[in-house]
Amino acid sequence: GAVVSQHPSWVICKSGTSVKIECRSLDFQATTMFWYRQFPKQSLMLMATSNEGSKATYEQGVEKDKFLINHASLTLSTLTVTSAHPEDSSFYICSARDGDRDFYEQYFGPGTRLTVT
Amino acid sequence: GESVGLHLPTLSVQEGDNSIINCAYSNSASDYFIWYKQESGKGPQFIIDIRSNMDKRQGQRVTVLLNKTVKHLSLQIAATQPGDSAVYFCADITGFQKLVFGTGTRLLVSP
Repeated sequence: GAVVSQHPSWVICKSGTSVKIECRSLDFQATTMFWYRQFPKQSLMLMATSNEGSKATYEQGVEKDKFLINHASLTLSTLTVTSAHPEDSSFYICSARDGDRDFYEQYFGPGTRLTVT
Repeated sequence: GESVGLHLPTLSVQEGDNSIINCAYSNSASDYFIWYKQESGKGPQFIIDIRSNMDKRQGQRVTVLLNKTVKHLSLQIAATQPGDSAVYFCADITGFQKLVFGTGTRLLVSP
């Protein structure tokens, strides 16, 4: 149980275009979802926290107009990178918290590799 | 954890040896700690956790030690196997807040 999927697993897009990444909780209801970014050989950095049905809370330094997050249902959150640039190339990882389980438990998705050319 | 970026320390061990991976955290109020394993191109995988009211917890082949006095966490892997090769991150939570990841340590296990 407690499986989180991401789609796509990798994507290549041209500079200036937008790309959407989906994060789904497959067998539980995710009251809260998190989006992380990870550059090569670095740690995971939290970008934003989203609760179902409300606006996402962004970490300091993360542009909310560039990284649009929508958590429209208890099983789906999306991250849209708008007007992508090469410096947005990174590994994006989501995680989800099961509302029926211990607050501290988070389940991570497999990640999405974004390359902007 | 303290995420300082750019450089991943590496621990190289021989198969069968015991591995010890260390982590320093900065917030003395942190009350929950987790170790994750991340293989190349994949998301983090939960290994073991420990609450701040404990100083040791054991799992299958893994042990986590918590020293709150010096704000130090360690992960011990017994009889390390090639499949244990990955990057290991510690993370901590304070109150009902976000996970903060440490820098990470790359574990290389040679046969």
